[in-house]
Amino acid sequence: EVQLLESGGGLVQPGGSLRLSCAASGFTFSNYAMSWVRQAPGKGLEWVASVSGSGVSTYHADSVKGRVTTSRDNSKNTFYLEMSSLRAEDTAVYYCAREDVSGSFYNGFWGQGSLVTVSS
Amino acid sequence: QPVLTQSSSASASLGSSVKLTCTLSSGHSSNIIAWHQQQPGKAPRYLMKVEGSGRFNKGSGIPDRFSASSSGADRHLTIFNLQSEDEADYYCETWDSDTWVFGGGTKLTVL
Repeated sequence: EVQLLESGGGLVQPGGSLRLSCAASGFTFSNYAMSWVRQAPGKGLEWVASVSGSGVSTYHADSVKGRVTTSRDNSKNTFYLEMSSLRAEDTAVYYCAREDVSGSFYNGFWGQGSLVTVSS
Repeated sequence: QPVLTQSSSASASLGSSVKLTCTLSSGHSSNIIAWHQQQPGKAPRYLMKVEGSGRFNKGSGIPDRFSASSSGADRHLTIFNLQSEDEADYYCETWDSDTWVFGGGTKLTVL
């Protein structure tokens, strides 16, 4: 069974930094691209970043480019999102997601989410 | 990059059927899209992918009541025999040129 478990969320001050982790299990982690998708309170889903199965290729939304780094450690079956210069508008639940079928790109599995609150 | 347009809300009666639509922007009418359901207070759940041909593949455990179709740039999600647990937000997703995009979501109310 595919399982994705996010951690690392919490309260952070404006201008601060945070690292989210996504622990994956139930599949061959290195075979699948992974994504971070966020949802601000009362709003829709917004893609944040993705990384290829090998970790060589990374992709970021324009709204966070320059402020986030996404990476993965295939030896630990873990996927990361590092955010800096955080703003109030970064407040959201951050979901980790896996592509459905290797090479399919669209997300087929979701974690339960980790809440990040940016506030003083 | 593509833009996905969804109606903000829809409603239908218990036991009836409803058709939700996701429209792809110009130049992206052949894109594959994915449908996701988000029940109140829960994480999103993948429902199915839909191709421009209308062919679709559902995720594991998705009931037969859920179906999909396509017409030009429109990708449809049809839910038959609506149940109370179908009341949720429904999002479509696509990707192009190293960018992933979500529609604004449709809030479905089951009357």
